[in-house]
Amino acid sequence: QQQVKQSPQSLIVQKGGISIINCAYENTAFDYFPWYQQFPGKGPALLIAIRPDVSEKKEGRFTISFNKSAKQFSLHIMDSQPGDSATYFCAASAAYNTDKLIFGTGTRLQVFP
Amino acid sequence: DAGVTQSPTHLIKTRGQQVTLRCSPKSGHDTVSWYQQALGQGPQFIFQYYEEEERQRGNFPDRFSGHQFPNYSSELNVNALLLGDSALYLCASSLRTGLNTEAFFGQGTRLTVV
Repeated sequence: QQQVKQSPQSLIVQKGGISIINCAYENTAFDYFPWYQQFPGKGPALLIAIRPDVSEKKEGRFTISFNKSAKQFSLHIMDSQPGDSATYFCAASAAYNTDKLIFGTGTRLQVFP
Repeated sequence: DAGVTQSPTHLIKTRGQQVTLRCSPKSGHDTVSWYQQALGQGPQFIFQYYEEEERQRGNFPDRFSGHQFPNYSSELNVNALLLGDSALYLCASSLRTGLNTEAFFGQGTRLTVV
């Protein structure tokens, strides 16, 4: 029940295209859903996060869509750029367990010119 | 602001040895969490320190222990190293507010056990 399932494992997108990464969870106590971007040899960096009281959050080219009833959330990267090539992790945590993040398995995104 | 800093960057140890990894949290943060990231996997929560006490622990054996100092910096100790302990060890800091807050990660320490 603590798992966060992430797909796809890898994604290849043309420059300017839309990248979509999906995550699903089971624990209904989760109430904070961040997405992290990680470049090789670096630590994860927070991209964008959402709480279940909204269904969508947009920051620049990055959008999180959240479906509470389906217990799913996704990251959309619009106008994907080669510089977006990285590994993306979804994560979740619960208010009663603050700061303990449960991570998905990651998606390696490659954006080709 | 230097962000979260970890040392050393890389480390090679022999099976059976002990290792200590260090973390300085982002300025203003009081909570430090440690994660283990195996190659090609997502980070796995090891434990969290707040007010110099271990507050939460993930599914890791007692060989993994830690400490938090009065200045909020933290150490992760691993005893009796196994080959399977080879991983990137990440430190994350945050400010405890009672709600989920943004965790800032360091660049990690790459531990190789041979």
